[in-house]
Parts: sequence; structure tokens; C-alpha cells
Amino acid sequence: SQQGEEDPQALSIQEGENATMNCSYKTSINNLQWYRQNSGRGLVHLILIRSNEREKHSGRLRVTLDTSKKSSSLLITASRAADTASYFCATNTGANSKLTFGKGITLSVRP
Amino acid sequence: DARVTQTPRHKVTEMGQEVTMRCQPILGHNTVFWYRQTMMQGLELLAYFRNRAPLDDSGMPKDRFSAEMPDATLATLKIQPSEPRDSAVYFCASGLTQVTGRPQPQHFGDGTRLSIL
Repeated sequence: SQQGEEDPQALSIQEGENATMNCSYKTSINNLQWYRQNSGRGLVHLILIRSNEREKHSGRLRVTLDTSKKSSSLLITASRAADTASYFCATNTGANSKLTFGKGITLSVRP
Repeated sequence: DARVTQTPRHKVTEMGQEVTMRCQPILGHNTVFWYRQTMMQGLELLAYFRNRAPLDDSGMPKDRFSAEMPDATLATLKIQPSEPRDSAVYFCASGLTQVTGRPQPQHFGDGTRLSIL
């Protein structure tokens, strides 16, 4: 069953614009992770944020976590055509290494 | 750059046939996961291993699916007999679970695209 649900399901933007993707989850978590999947490839880990963290940055990526609202957002700044991919949030409850993935957001960045 | 390797990349076979998918985790990783990805269900965890021992296979249909780790460098997922509803992309991922409990990312292979006719 899906723990994380991403919003929107699909997003189309112009190169250079910022892309914001949201994820909501249902139960308490230990950490939340974002992954990217290019067409025909496996998922690639982007960033991990722990439940006691509120914000993390990695290059053009910014992730926020609001545990009171059980939600997270991924911001990609100055998007590029190469950012076109599906993006997934995944939650870990801490009891083990298991991740529960959402169904993903399809991001299209137009050149 | 260390990678998870999955074989075959594509498999087309008729229903009733046995299917074996293989995964070579990243050297040194002690946890291996098998996922199935479909448009309808998204990414589902089928089973996972730590230090070659199965920890959880509750996501796997037991009557036809089996997962094993014959050694630390090989994980297998078998379907026997296969059915059309098994058509999906199957991913293997590996990670390093530390005794400190510090969370770690999972590293995915590029998957086996399985079509059962």
C-alpha cells in the first residue's frame, strides 16, 4: 500500500523555471527520501531528510519536511531539460530498512 | 562507479514458463530489495534480505514467487509458473544497513522488463 502520495501527478514547465513537487504521507516516519527515475532506468537517490530535520539542500535541490502536516516538498531550481523524469518520495518508518514509495510525479521540462 | 547489475534486461515468455531474474548487489552492501513496478500499482516491495537472510517477503505471492541469495554477490527472484499478470518491471536495489541505525539510500539496478504472453 502507498504511504506517500505525490502531488501533482504531472508537471510541465519551461527550462529555467522552478519545479515544486509535494508528497504527503500517513504514518510517523524516521526519514523521507526523494528519488528520480529516467525512462527505462532504475531509481536514483536524490536526497534524504530525517524526521528531526526541516530543510535540506543539495545543489539545485531543496527539500522540506513538515512532520506536523505529514508532508514534504521537493524544489528543483533553474530546471533543465535533463531534469525531465519521474520523481518519487519514499518513507521509512525506522523499524527496518524498508521504504514505501508513492506513485510518482512526471516532470517535463521544455527546452 | 559501483552499480547494481540486473539480468536479463528484458524477458518475454509464455505463461506457465519459469522465469529467473538475477541481481548482483553493490559489493559491500548487506541489504538487498526486490521491487515490482507497474503503472497501476506503482513500486511495490516484494522481498528483502539482510546479510543474505530473508527479512520480509510479505509482498510476494508465495505460491509462485521465490527469492533467494545463494551468496553475497547474487540474489535471484523466480516465478513458477508465470502468468500474464506478472508482466511488470522488476527492480533489485541494494543498500548498507549500519548498526548505528543511520538511514542510508537504496541503489537500484535498471530492472528486468518482463512480459508474460
